[in-house]
Amino acid sequence: DAGVIQSPRHEVTEMGQEVTLRCKPISGHDYLFWYRQTMMRGLELLIYFNNNVPIDDSGMPEDRFSAKMPNASFSTLKIQPSEPRDSAVYFCASSLRSSYNSPLHFGNGTRLTVT
Amino acid sequence: GDSVTQMEGPVTLSEEAFLTINCTYTATGYPSLFWYVQYPGEGLQLLLKATKADDKGSNKGFEATYRKETTSFHLEKGSVQVSDSAVYFCALSDAGGSYIPTFGRGTSLIVHP
Repeated sequence: DAGVIQSPRHEVTEMGQEVTLRCKPISGHDYLFWYRQTMMRGLELLIYFNNNVPIDDSGMPEDRFSAKMPNASFSTLKIQPSEPRDSAVYFCASSLRSSYNSPLHFGNGTRLTVT
Repeated sequence: GDSVTQMEGPVTLSEEAFLTINCTYTATGYPSLFWYVQYPGEGLQLLLKATKADDKGSNKGFEATYRKETTSFHLEKGSVQVSDSAVYFCALSDAGGSYIPTFGRGTSLIVHP
């Protein structure tokens, strides 16, 4: 089991640029989550998918953020245009929701710095 | 709605000290409770869980007991090590809710040699 794989691990970009974060969930998992972690706000749920379909994107901060899951093994989170306040660590997590007590499996995150 | 409240950190201890990190919750249904740990530079990983009242979850010397009467799930360890330095998150998943986990703010633990 390779675990949840995120890329890149670090991303430094200038304000106004487009940023794309990538995630490969654990094979067979049917739920995928995108979280953002900052010192000020802690861990925030941005959006989650079930069987590749977005279920709840109410946590997405604004229209500059978008997420897709074109197939069961790949998801992207895109920020366009990026702003300094988007600087954070972004985590992808997946789970197999056979029951509500199934845990989440997190990737190691992408640290985004927008200058 | 569901919520999880953790004690604020950082918690600073010497090696071999006893650890308690408090966690209380509110839930509309009958939740499962979790502790996750985040080591520096890594994602969260499941430490232990309990799915019904009076259940005790345990792993790597850590324990937590599901107390329905006090709506608590406090994390304990009898003798901490420097390698336990991390951020600990309490979380719940509520079958009566959306199934989506609710996380606490996290508690940073620093263990000195």
